[in-house]
Amino acid sequence: ETGVTQSPTHLIKTRGQQVTLRCSSQSGHNTVSWYQQALGQGPQFIFQYYREEENGRGNFPPRFSGLQFPNYSSELNVNALELDDSALYLCASSYGATPGYGYTFGSGTRLTVV
Amino acid sequence: EDKVVQSPLSLVVHEGDTVTLNCSYEVTNFRSLLWYKQEKKAPTFLFMLTSSGIEKKSGRLSSILDKKELFSILNITATQTGDSAVYLCAAVITGNQFYFGTGTSLTVIP
Repeated sequence: ETGVTQSPTHLIKTRGQQVTLRCSSQSGHNTVSWYQQALGQGPQFIFQYYREEENGRGNFPPRFSGLQFPNYSSELNVNALELDDSALYLCASSYGATPGYGYTFGSGTRLTVV
Repeated sequence: EDKVVQSPLSLVVHEGDTVTLNCSYEVTNFRSLLWYKQEKKAPTFLFMLTSSGIEKKSGRLSSILDKKELFSILNITATQTGDSAVYLCAAVITGNQFYFGTGTSLTVIP
């Protein structure tokens, strides 16, 4: 058990719809990062939240947005879904914004856009 | 453009073989290089490298970073079927952004 839980595990949405993915960070962790992993590719950094504030963002359009709550859980919202948004979405939590040790990934949400 | 390139893309070896996986990076504001093993979904942490020339070891796995030539290698000796996975490297830059490579898919056959 990794300590980071994501929900749902699988999701099918129609192009143009909106989706919300959830991540509960490991106990004691205050930083959550989100990644998109397309089939056969490495994870791509979407953004990071540290103490409820966005603390870095990758090359993703504004229709990808997020939130972090006082208990440090997080949501990833994607509006106006496109077929290319189909991917595994991973979140990772850590204590502090320093990466590496204690940077724990969840098992991901598999999103399929049809 | 920041990028991380891993090679080979895939590898098939027999149990007991030794493998070397390569990771080269071109990123601005480099901070560290991380290696992960991804078997099904969640990548699991292997190594974090920040200094050149210092080998990190964990059992049959070892890794080293060359900050002058901008690459890292991951070695696995005496491979076992349980080593079959995708191995990812990631360059971390200021701002804590991770740039992952595409990964090397390793298959170890009995």
